[in-house]
Amino acid sequence: AQSVAQPEDQVNVAEGNPLTVKCTYSVSGNPYLFWYVQYPNRGLQFLLKYITGDNLVKGSYGFEAEFNKSQTSFHLKKPSALVSDSALYFCAVRAGGYNKLIFGAGTRLAVHP
Amino acid sequence: GAVVSQHPSRVICKSGTSVKIECRSLDFQATTMFWYRQFPKQSLMLMATSNEGSKATYEQGVEKDKFLINHASLTLSTLTVTSAHPEDSSFYICSASLGQVSYNSPLHFGNGTRLTVT
Repeated sequence: AQSVAQPEDQVNVAEGNPLTVKCTYSVSGNPYLFWYVQYPNRGLQFLLKYITGDNLVKGSYGFEAEFNKSQTSFHLKKPSALVSDSALYFCAVRAGGYNKLIFGAGTRLAVHP
Repeated sequence: GAVVSQHPSRVICKSGTSVKIECRSLDFQATTMFWYRQFPKQSLMLMATSNEGSKATYEQGVEKDKFLINHASLTLSTLTVTSAHPEDSSFYICSASLGQVSYNSPLHFGNGTRLTVT
C-alpha cells in the first residue's frame, strides 16, 4: 500500500539557519511526490513536486526538496529559515489511481527569531 | 494563478440541522474536485472525489447519505453535511486540479471551512 511518513511532529529552528523537514514514502512504481504548506485555518498551498528528472527540486518561497530513491525519501529544505516559514508542512504522494493524494501526518515548523 | 474559493470559512450550527459548503474554481474549470476532512492536529483525510455531472466517489467509511456531494457545473461543487452532530465538527477542505487530473498536476486548495456543531 502507498504511504507517506513524516517522522517529526515538530521541527524547531532559529531564524537564518537551514531547515529540513523529513519525509519518507512507500509506493509501488514511480513515486509522484508533493510538498504543501498550511497556515492556521487555511487550506494547503502547493510548494513543489517531484515527478521525474533532477533529484533536487526547487519550489516556492525558496524551498527545495531532494528526492532520494535509495532511501525512499523526499526531504524538504531551505538554506535560511524565516519566522514567516512557521506553519504546518505536509508531504504527499499520488497513488492508487491518479486522483488519490495521500498525505503524511504533517510536521509543524517553528522558526524562532 | 489558479484559485479555489470555499464558502463559508466558518459555520456554527445546531445538532440535527444541515450545512452546505461551497467550493468554486474561480479562474479555471475543474472537472474533478476533492473533499477532505482534517481533524485537529491531524492530517487530511480524503472523503470523496466529486465529478462534474456524475455521482461522487466516496472513500471507504464515509457515509454518502450524510455527506452529500453535488458537482453541478465545472466550477462548483457543494458538500452538504446532513443532520449534523457534534462529532461532525471538523475542518473541511476542498481542492481541485487545474485541467485534467494527472499524476503530475498539483491540487489547488480552498481555505477550508471550520464546522462547529453544537
